[in-house]
Order: sequence, then C-alpha cells, then structure tokens
Amino acid sequence: AQSVTQLDSQVPVFEEAPVELRCNYSSSVSVYLFWYVQYPNQGLQLLLKYLSGSTLVKGINGFEAEFNKSQTSFHLRKPSVHISDTAEYFCAVTGNQFYFGTGTSLTVIP
Amino acid sequence: KAGVTQTPRYLIKTRGQQVTLSCSPISGHRSVSWYQQTPGQGLQFLFEYFSETQRNKGNFPGRFSGRQFSNSRSEMNVSTLELGDSALYLCASSLVRGKGSYEQYFGPGTRLTVT
Repeated sequence: AQSVTQLDSQVPVFEEAPVELRCNYSSSVSVYLFWYVQYPNQGLQLLLKYLSGSTLVKGINGFEAEFNKSQTSFHLRKPSVHISDTAEYFCAVTGNQFYFGTGTSLTVIP
Repeated sequence: KAGVTQTPRYLIKTRGQQVTLSCSPISGHRSVSWYQQTPGQGLQFLFEYFSETQRNKGNFPGRFSGRQFSNSRSEMNVSTLELGDSALYLCASSLVRGKGSYEQYFGPGTRLTVT
C-alpha cells in the first residue's frame, strides 16, 4: 500500500523569502509523484510531476521538487515566494491508486 | 483541449433529499475519480471509474454511488443527505496506465450545502 505524509500543516513565510514544503511517501512499488496547488474555492491544479528520469523536476510558477528515493521524499521548493503563492499545496503518489497528503497551507506575508 | 467540467457549481439541498452531480472529463481520458473535500477531513477519495466500471472505491457509506457512461462522462449520487455531506466535491480525469493512472486533472468542483 502507498501513503503520503506532509509534515507541515501550515507554513508562513515572508514575501521574497525561499520556501520548502515537505512530503514523504511510502510504497512497495514504483510510483509517480505529484504536487498540486489549490486556490480558495477552486479545484486542484497540477504544479509538477515526477514520472522517471531526472530527479529534479521543474514546474509552473517557479516551483521545483526533488525526488529522493533513498529518503522517500519529494519536497517542493521555491527560491522566492510571492503573495500570489498563498494557497493549499497537496503532495500525491500513484501506484495502482492515487493517494493525497493532508495538505500544507502556505501563507505569504507581505 | 477543454478541461474537466463539473455541474452544477453550487447546490443547496435539504436533509433527506438526494443529489446528482455531473462530471465531463478531458477528451480522451477514460478514468474519472471523485473526491470529497471538507475542512476537517481534507481530501477523501470516493471512487474511480474506468470504462464504465468502478475500479477503486474509498471508505464511504452506500449512500454514495456513481456511474460512468460510454462517453466517459460520470455522475455521482448521494441519497438521504446528511448535514455532514456538505462539502466540495471534486472530479478528476486521467489517462490510464496499467492498473494505475498518470496525473489527474481536476474540475472546479461542486459546492454542496445541506441544510
């Protein structure tokens, strides 16, 4: 069975500061990994995905994530956040079924 | 390509009533999944349909049901509504990969309020 753990439920960060949102997964099979963003009263939007190949994945809006198989992690990073990045972020893993983490609420402080 | 569409966007129902929500996937996507999202429980998986068959099911009571049509459009139905069913219901479509799927693409959701 697979599972996803997002270690931080809330992350406040000042505008233009860097941010890292943490995600760990467990799986006994090969997996694909994803990060999604959700703005208030909207559906989830795909930020980036890891299917295979390079472990450093770049996504939209300046976000990137690194797949670390030995640490079973897929942390999301951005070097400089903007007010518009305030949203809920979800990590997800899929093998035979999609599993989502509980989400991390990112608040960017002006 | 057009994205995932869900109708209606907002719905208000009374306890005991039933409701049907609709989802049209991205063209070519044959897998449709449904999720319930609430502030307290987060994102919870309801079920997944592929080729008109339920392929995976979450841990929800039998009041929650779904179906998929030959054009991949899907509906979910909730009977005997309870106050706790108030939530954002999200639909997602994807291409299929063996027993699993690739990335899911989400619709804007249907906001259901039960009074």
